[in-house]
Amino acid sequence: TQLLEQSPQFLSIQEGENLTVYCNSSSVFSSLQWYRQEPGEGPVLLVTVVTGGEVKKLKRLTFQFGDARKDSSLHITAAQPGDTGLYLCAGGGGAQKLVFGQGTRLTINP
Amino acid sequence: GAGVSQSPRYKVTKRGQDVALRCDPISGHVSLYWYRQALGQGPEFLTYFNYEAQQDKSGLPNDRFSAERPEGSISTLTIQRTEQRDSAMYRCASRGGQLATEAFFGQGTRLTVV
Repeated sequence: TQLLEQSPQFLSIQEGENLTVYCNSSSVFSSLQWYRQEPGEGPVLLVTVVTGGEVKKLKRLTFQFGDARKDSSLHITAAQPGDTGLYLCAGGGGAQKLVFGQGTRLTINP
Repeated sequence: GAGVSQSPRYKVTKRGQDVALRCDPISGHVSLYWYRQALGQGPEFLTYFNYEAQQDKSGLPNDRFSAERPEGSISTLTIQRTEQRDSAMYRCASRGGQLATEAFFGQGTRLTVV
């Protein structure tokens, strides 16, 4: 069974602070994805990482895929209230089983 | 269609009744996934299809749950003899194929068993 463990499950910080969210597994994944979900909506893709050691940046968000392709991290610099939401990591390439972590509920306080 | 469509959006049913939840994926998408999601939690995998073939049903909680995708497009998740513990948000997602990693989600069906 492929499991993805996210930490922390809850994170509440002040605007302007930096934060890192982790996604870990004992399984190797061909790709890992990060999604963000707003209340009442479905998850929306932020990024896909496919190569071990890969780093991708999306404005103030930096995503890294572990060298062994078992873990990933999401780092947010200078967090803003608009970053508030549920962040989900997911593993499994196209046409494969896609499993999600339990999510990190992030709250950025003004 | 333009996006993944699920129906109904809300379903209230009495305990013991059967319910059928429908998912209409993005046209041409090979893979279709069903999840159950508790509030504030990540989607819990139930089952998925490539074309009409059910590839993995290991997440279905018990034999009251079943799913089909007979023509490789629309899928139905059926729950027989519903119980209160089946109350949840059920979400469907689709992906394009072998090289397509992004999953597109529908708005979900909120099932309430009373």
